[in-house]
Amino acid sequence: SQKIEQNSEALNIQEGKTATLTCNYTNYSPAYLQWYRQDPGRGPVFLLLIRENEKEKRKERLKVTFDTTLKQSLFHITASQPADSATYLCALENGSGNTGKLIFGQGTTLQVKP
Amino acid sequence: DVKVTQSSRYLVKRTGEKVFLECVQDMDHENMFWYRQDPGLGLRLIYFSYDVKMKEKGDIPEGYSVSREKKERFSLILESASTNQTSMYLCASSDPARGNEQFFGPGTRLTVL
Repeated sequence: SQKIEQNSEALNIQEGKTATLTCNYTNYSPAYLQWYRQDPGRGPVFLLLIRENEKEKRKERLKVTFDTTLKQSLFHITASQPADSATYLCALENGSGNTGKLIFGQGTTLQVKP
Repeated sequence: DVKVTQSSRYLVKRTGEKVFLECVQDMDHENMFWYRQDPGLGLRLIYFSYDVKMKEKGDIPEGYSVSREKKERFSLILESASTNQTSMYLCASSDPARGNEQFFGPGTRLTVL
């Protein structure tokens, strides 16, 4: 069956450290994968998109990798800050063409302690 | 600045009532989506639309219908609200020409009593 999995347990790290979040999927062949941030009571906000032919993408303190062999994406936040505390969702495209339909993981909650 | 708005932040309805949730985007996006989000279940797609008057069922369409008469507006309708439809409802839009990133509204917290 098709699955997209993120760590359901919260990730607690100390300010200044690198946070690494994992997204694994099975029985999908996505053309791209996206990461979103969601704060409590708010809608998700897009962060990064990485395509199947890209190994790595960076944006400021954020880095995403995409390994289509392992069927895994890693999301890194370097020099983490308490303001980075939120839930992070991965989402993948599943042959949706131009409809833009995405399949979302359940999200991992990150808590950065000062 | 890109914007998706939803008609209400909080809504309380009674079982059996007809409920309308409205979503408007000002980005001229082709695609629009309705999700519900519940603890432990993540974001689940109810319906989506890739053009005016076009709609497709998502993963959990039962008990819902949608309407898209104009490009900027996508409405979610609960024909007869039930308590198991108590949830956070999120609307989103995207444009395939602009990378398909989804822009979300602030959400409507619906409680059905």
